[in-house]
Amino acid sequence: DQQVKQNSPSLSVQEGRISILNCDYTNSMFDYFLWYKKYPAEGPTFLISISSIKDKNEDGRFTVFLNKSAKHLSLHIVPSQPGDSAVYFCAYRDDKIIFGKGTRLHILP
Amino acid sequence: NAGVTQTPKFRILKIGQSMTLQCTQDMNHNYMYWYRQDPGMGLKLIYYSVGAGITDKGEVPNGYNVSRSTTEDFPLRLELAAPSQTSVYFCASSYSIQNYNSPLHFGNGTRLTVT
Repeated sequence: DQQVKQNSPSLSVQEGRISILNCDYTNSMFDYFLWYKKYPAEGPTFLISISSIKDKNEDGRFTVFLNKSAKHLSLHIVPSQPGDSAVYFCAYRDDKIIFGKGTRLHILP
Repeated sequence: NAGVTQTPKFRILKIGQSMTLQCTQDMNHNYMYWYRQDPGMGLKLIYYSVGAGITDKGEVPNGYNVSRSTTEDFPLRLELAAPSQTSVYFCASSYSIQNYNSPLHFGNGTRLTVT
């Protein structure tokens, strides 16, 4: 029973355009969310996070939006670059960190 | 600047064999975790530890054991390897779960095949 759902296994976006990765969650009590990025043969690396007291957090080209009423968060990458091609995991944190299944992002030249 | 170190990188086991996946971190982190990643299935939490001497089950603990005798080390033990345990295993650590500025740091993984 997935508590964090990433319903798109993969996404292809043209270089320079906006990439939008989506994540839904089931428990309205979740109050802290994270995004991780993973390249092949490497461990995931932390990208950006958001607390439920905010609805937006921005770090350079990366912005995470949180819609608590819809129990939905999204990661926007703009402009998308070739090095952004990776698998992106959303996760929530309580006393541990639980991940979604991931979305593979392909940036097309 | 080692961070989280996992050994071995690759291993092939026969059904019923046992092995220990090693994980060590040099960041003095209290929290440590073991995840497994199956194709298309994301990262599933196996066990975690909030400090030396304390461990707890995650989402998929069956078939595994852990110990945390020191802050630095968090080995994962497979006693009777089964094909369902074929996966990539990631160890991670963080300073504090309450500190929102303390993300997980991951090792580069151990790829295990059980045949």
